[in-house]
Amino acid sequence: EAGVAQSPRYKIIEKRQSVAFWCNPISGHATLYWYQQILGQGPKLLIQFQNNGVVDDSQLPKDRFSAERLKGVDSTLKIQPAKLEDSAVYLCASSLVPSGVGETQYFGPGTRLLVL
Amino acid sequence: RKEVEQDPGPFNVPEGATVAFNCTYSNSASQSFFWYRQDCRKEPKLLMSVYSSGNEDGRFTAQLNRASQYISLLIRDSKLSDSATYLCVVNRYGGGKLIFGQGTELSVKP
Repeated sequence: EAGVAQSPRYKIIEKRQSVAFWCNPISGHATLYWYQQILGQGPKLLIQFQNNGVVDDSQLPKDRFSAERLKGVDSTLKIQPAKLEDSAVYLCASSLVPSGVGETQYFGPGTRLLVL
Repeated sequence: RKEVEQDPGPFNVPEGATVAFNCTYSNSASQSFFWYRQDCRKEPKLLMSVYSSGNEDGRFTAQLNRASQYISLLIRDSKLSDSATYLCVVNRYGGGKLIFGQGTELSVKP
C-alpha cells in the first residue's frame, strides 16, 4: 500500500516570499492533517480536514497560512508571505476516519522549509 | 504549561540497558494515548497505543495512570536500533487531533 506522499521534500525561500506544499494521502483515507514541526519540538496540528471540509483550524495562522482539499483527496498548504519563524518541517498525515482508539494516523516524509 | 510534557533528553544508555520515559498530560478530557517514534530526519511512526490496563509489545511496555495523568514507556534490553526520539501523544475528545509532547531523544551506544 502506498504511503502518504508529499512534495517538495525541501524548499528554501526568502522571507516575504510565498510557498506551497502538496500532500496526497493514503487511498481511501477521509481525514487529512497538516502539522508543523519546529526543530526540537513535537509536531503541532495546523489544520484537519474530513473529506473536503475543515474540522479544526484553530492553530492555523490564518493571516498568512491557507489550506485546501477541494476534491477530498489531495491537499495544498500555502504560506504567503513567509516569515523566518515559519522554518520547520511540514508534515501531512492521514487516517481512515478521525483518529482515536484503534485508528492510526500515518505520516508522510514531510517538507523541510528554510526561510532566509 | 504545555499540554503534554516529557522528560528532557537526551538519554544515553549502553546496549542491553533498561530505559524508562515519563510523560504527563494536563487535560483530563484526553481520551486516547500513544507513543510515537521518530528517527532522525524522518516522519513520526506509531510505536504503540497505551491502555489503562498497561500493554506490552516485545521489549516495550506502556502504562497509563489516568488518576495521575501520567504515561510511561519502558524499553528493556535496548538495541542500537532503538536510538530515536520518542514522542508522547494524547488524543483529545476522540476527534482526531493529536497533541504531541516535545519528544525525548534516546541514544543507545555499543
